[in-house]
Amino acid sequence: AQSVTQLDSQVPVFEEAPVELRCNYSSSVSVYLFWYVQYPNQGLQLLLKYLSGSTLVKGINGFEAEFNKSQTSFHLRKPSVHISDTAEYFCAAMDSNYQLIWGAGTKLIIKP
Amino acid sequence: DAEITQSPRHKITETGRQVTLACHQTWNHNNMFWYRQDLGHGLRLIHYSYGVQDTNKGEVSDGYSVSRSNTEDLPLTLESAASSQTSVYFCASSGTPGDNEQFFGPGTRLTVL
Repeated sequence: AQSVTQLDSQVPVFEEAPVELRCNYSSSVSVYLFWYVQYPNQGLQLLLKYLSGSTLVKGINGFEAEFNKSQTSFHLRKPSVHISDTAEYFCAAMDSNYQLIWGAGTKLIIKP
Repeated sequence: DAEITQSPRHKITETGRQVTLACHQTWNHNNMFWYRQDLGHGLRLIHYSYGVQDTNKGEVSDGYSVSRSNTEDLPLTLESAASSQTSVYFCASSGTPGDNEQFFGPGTRLTVL
C-alpha cells in the first residue's frame, strides 16, 4: 500500500537548537516528495520539494531535506530553530495519479 | 496576486442540514482538490477535479459531492451533515495533472451539532 509515515507526532526543541523531522515513504509511491508547513490557523504552504537531481534540497526559512532512496526517507532539518518555526509540518508523496499522499503531520514545539 | 479563497471561514450547522463550502481560485489552475483535516489523520482527499465538468471521488467521499462548472470554483456540498463531518476543510489547486505543487486556501472550520 502507498503510504507516508511521519514517525513523530510532536517534536519539542529548544530555540536555536537543531531539529530533524522524520519522514518515510513506501517504495510504491513515486519519488516526488514534499514538505509543507502549516502555521496556526492557516492553510498549508510548500517548504520544499524533491523531484530529481541532487538529494539535498533546500527550501524556505532555512530548512533543507535529504532524499535517501535506500532508506526510503525524506527527513527535514534545520540547524537552528526560531520561535517563528512553531508550526505543524507535513510530508507528502505524489502517487501515479498525481495525487498527494500525506503523512499525519509533526508538530514542532519550540521551547524558549 | 493570484490566490485561493474559501468561504465561510467558520460554520456551525445542525445534523441533517445541507451545507455548501465555497472555494475560488484565481490561478487559472485546471486541478482542484478538497481535503479534510482531522487530528492524527493529516489530510484526507474528499474529491478532486482535473477540469471543467470533471469530478472524481477521493479517499473519503461518502456524504460529500462537488461540481465544476467553471475553472475558478469547486464548491463542496455536504448533502446531510453528520457530526462525523465536523472538521477543517481545505481547498487546493494546481496547474496540470503532473504539476507538483498544490496551493492551499486558508481553510473552513465546520462544526456539525
